Amino acid sequence: AQSVTQPDIHITVSEGASLELRCNYSYGATPYLFWYVQSPGQGLQLLLKYFSGDTLVQGIKGFEAEFKRSQSSFNLRKPSVHWSDAAEYFCAINDYKLSFGAGTTVTVRA
Amino acid sequence: GAGVSQSPSNKVTEKGKDVELRCDPISGHTALYWYRQSLGQGLEFLIYFQGNSAPDKSGLPSDRFSAERTGGSVSTLTIQRTQQEDSAVYLCASSLGGSSRTDTQYFGPGTRLTVL
Repeated sequence: AQSVTQPDIHITVSEGASLELRCNYSYGATPYLFWYVQSPGQGLQLLLKYFSGDTLVQGIKGFEAEFKRSQSSFNLRKPSVHWSDAAEYFCAINDYKLSFGAGTTVTVRA
Repeated sequence: GAGVSQSPSNKVTEKGKDVELRCDPISGHTALYWYRQSLGQGLEFLIYFQGNSAPDKSGLPSDRFSAERTGGSVSTLTIQRTQQEDSAVYLCASSLGGSSRTDTQYFGPGTRLTVL
């Protein structure tokens, strides 16, 4: 069965600093991976997705993620964080239904 | 364009009552999903509809939970005899449905259910 692990429950970052959120997956075949963001009281918004090909994928809001098969990882990055990036971030793997990690809450300090 | 909509946005009910939650998917999307988000369990898959195929009910936590999808569009999730542990945010998502593993699921804003 597929699974996703997000090791960091909470990350605090200063505005303008870089951000990296970790995601590790377990899946027997080619994984189909997604990153979603959830702002308080909102639904889930897709940031980016990986199916195949280039291991560095670009998403919305200046986010990117790198797929590393050797490390079973799909880490999300942003070079310079804005206060509006404060939210909860979920990594997910799709096997006809999404299996989500526990989420990482990002706090941005001024 | 219109996204996935859900109603009501909030529902407070008493233990033992039945509740119905509604989801309107994006027009043209043949696949529809229900998930539950709770503090203790995170985001969990509940049920998946794809076109006219039999739904995948493997995530429903008990037989008190059921869902239907009428006319391949609107879906209703019904919880009978609600319990306090049913308190959660219920999220609906839809996708084009052509190739489920690569489909992007688009989520609605959710219904927050509180069982007193």
